[in-house]
Amino acid sequence: DVKVTQSSRYLVKRTGEKVFLECVQDMDHENMFWYRQDPGLGLRLIYFSYDVKMKEKGDIPEGYSVSREKKERFSLILESASTNQTSMYLCASKVNTDTQYFGPGTRLTVL
Amino acid sequence: RKEVEQDPGPFNVPEGATVAFNCTYSNSASQSFFWYRQDCRKEPKLLMSVYSSGNEDGRFTAQLNRASQYISLLIRDSKLSDSATYLCAVNRAGYGNKLVFGAGTILRVKS
Repeated sequence: DVKVTQSSRYLVKRTGEKVFLECVQDMDHENMFWYRQDPGLGLRLIYFSYDVKMKEKGDIPEGYSVSREKKERFSLILESASTNQTSMYLCASKVNTDTQYFGPGTRLTVL
Repeated sequence: RKEVEQDPGPFNVPEGATVAFNCTYSNSASQSFFWYRQDCRKEPKLLMSVYSSGNEDGRFTAQLNRASQYISLLIRDSKLSDSATYLCAVNRAGYGNKLVFGAGTILRVKS
């Protein structure tokens, strides 16, 4: 059974703080993704990675960066959190078939 | 025009009803199509893939209409437990690893 875990379910941060969101998968998947989900907008791709140390920008990368030092771990970094980054953040992973498996999500509030 | 569009609903139906959702996509070169189910405050989970020939899984039937560029999901004999948000996802042509998600359709099944 595929398992994708995220470091926190709920997080509250202040404007300007640096925020780290971690995602770990246990199925040796090459591809990992970070999305944010907002009401009415659906899931929007922030960044994805197809291999260790490889990354590509998604549709809304501004204000975010990522790190993939190990195959099982994909981190999303908010360099200087802003209130418009308050959202649900979802990590996903997959092999080269198209089924993406999602983590439980992190609900981030930036005050 | 959005790449993937869904009627947000909500669709309010009685138990036992048949309900259908459509999802339109803009890129005619897209090759892979999916329906995901998302329960309140949970992560999306794959419900079914959508094949050219259509596919059925119990009470759920998914169909693809390439000419009109939409996919559909039919739920027969609705159960209370079917209440959820249904997301369609389409691969972004030319970027095989990326999925584009619709904003979701809310289904509420009432007794």
